[in-house]
Amino acid sequence: KQEVTQIPAALSVPEGENLVLNCSFTDSAIYNLQWFRQDPGKGLTSLLLIQSSQREQTSGRLNASLDKSSGRSTLYIAASQPGDSATYLCAASLSGNTPLVFGKGTRLSVIA
Amino acid sequence: GAVVSQHPSWVICKSGTSVKIECRSLDFQATTMFWYRQFPKQSLMLMATSNEGSKATYEQGVEKDKFLINHASLTLSTLTVTSAHPEDSSFYICSARVPGSTGELFFGEGSRLTVL
Repeated sequence: KQEVTQIPAALSVPEGENLVLNCSFTDSAIYNLQWFRQDPGKGLTSLLLIQSSQREQTSGRLNASLDKSSGRSTLYIAASQPGDSATYLCAASLSGNTPLVFGKGTRLSVIA
Repeated sequence: GAVVSQHPSWVICKSGTSVKIECRSLDFQATTMFWYRQFPKQSLMLMATSNEGSKATYEQGVEKDKFLINHASLTLSTLTVTSAHPEDSSFYICSARVPGSTGELFFGEGSRLTVL
């Protein structure tokens, strides 16, 4: 059974700092991996999708990497801003028909 | 990206009543939809897989008689919380994939249920 772990559980950084969020998964035979953002009391905003054949994806200040062999993914946020404060969720699926398995998230606070 | 819409976005009900939440794929057809539940400060936990035209598949520990799922069309799945109790208060969110696509899961806006 796929398990997804995210560390740290919470992170507080000053504005402008670059930061890395970590995600690990137990079954390396993933189909794809998605990173989401969730603001308090809100739904999910999809940030990046990485297919199993890809090593990384970039969108603006965000860069997500995938290393299937080690069962790890990282989300890199450059030049963090207070508006980046949210919970970031990592989730993996084993096939195109199966649901995503979520980690518990990293709660990020960017201090102005 | 594809759009998945949920309704209502929030609902308050009395203990013992039933509540129906709708999940619609607006611009694509979805033979499968997934229902998740999120308790405060917790992650999303899969409740069930909704299959168009057949019975839903429930995760271990989820009562199928309490959480009724109906997927009567290719664009609509409904979750009915029957005889709701305060412990059912949670954030319910559905998701679906565009067939033959990258496999990206698209999520609805979520429905916050409060049972008094």
